[in-house]
Amino acid sequence: AQRVTQPEKLLSVFKGAPVELKCNYSYSGSPELFWYVQYSRQRLQLLLRHISRESIKGFTADLNKGETSFHLKKPFAQEEDSAMYYCALHNAGNMLTFGGGTRLMVKP
Amino acid sequence: DTGVSQNPRHKITKRGQNVTFRCDPISEHNRLYWYRQTLGQGPEFLTYFQNEAQLEKSRLLSDRFSAERPKGSFSTLEIQRTEQGDSAMYLCASSSNGQGAWEQYFGPGTRLTVT
Repeated sequence: AQRVTQPEKLLSVFKGAPVELKCNYSYSGSPELFWYVQYSRQRLQLLLRHISRESIKGFTADLNKGETSFHLKKPFAQEEDSAMYYCALHNAGNMLTFGGGTRLMVKP
Repeated sequence: DTGVSQNPRHKITKRGQNVTFRCDPISEHNRLYWYRQTLGQGPEFLTYFQNEAQLEKSRLLSDRFSAERPKGSFSTLEIQRTEQGDSAMYLCASSSNGQGAWEQYFGPGTRLTVT
């Protein structure tokens, strides 16, 4: 069975501070992992995908197969980063398994 | 607006009633997905279609839940004999086939409240 765990329900940081949102997964196959974001009053949208290895809005995430983790990082948080962040795992059956989400609050 | 649309956006119903939600995917997308999201949780996969074929439905929560996509375009999700535990946000997503299949585009959701 596949599972995605986001241990923190809420993460609160000051503007300019580094941010790390944790994500751990369990999956027997080769994982394909994503981070989705939901800003206030907006729909869920893709932030980044591990295969692309891009930096989106200053965020990066590295897949660590040894630790089964896919943590999302940003060196300097901005107020506009405040949102719900969901880690998700995509399997061969085309379904996404989401973690419970982490609310990021960036204080001025 | 060329994104995924869902109707209605909100539905309040009494326990025991049937409800039906509609999802219109992005026009060129042939894959369509339904998820349920309860308060404080991430979305939970329910079912998915490729064109009109329902390829995965084992995750539908009970036999009270059913989904259709008769012409491979819009889809409906029906819940019969609603229960208070069905209160949740129901999300629809769509994706293309082939190389773009991994990126799912989500609709705004339908919030169901069962009283």
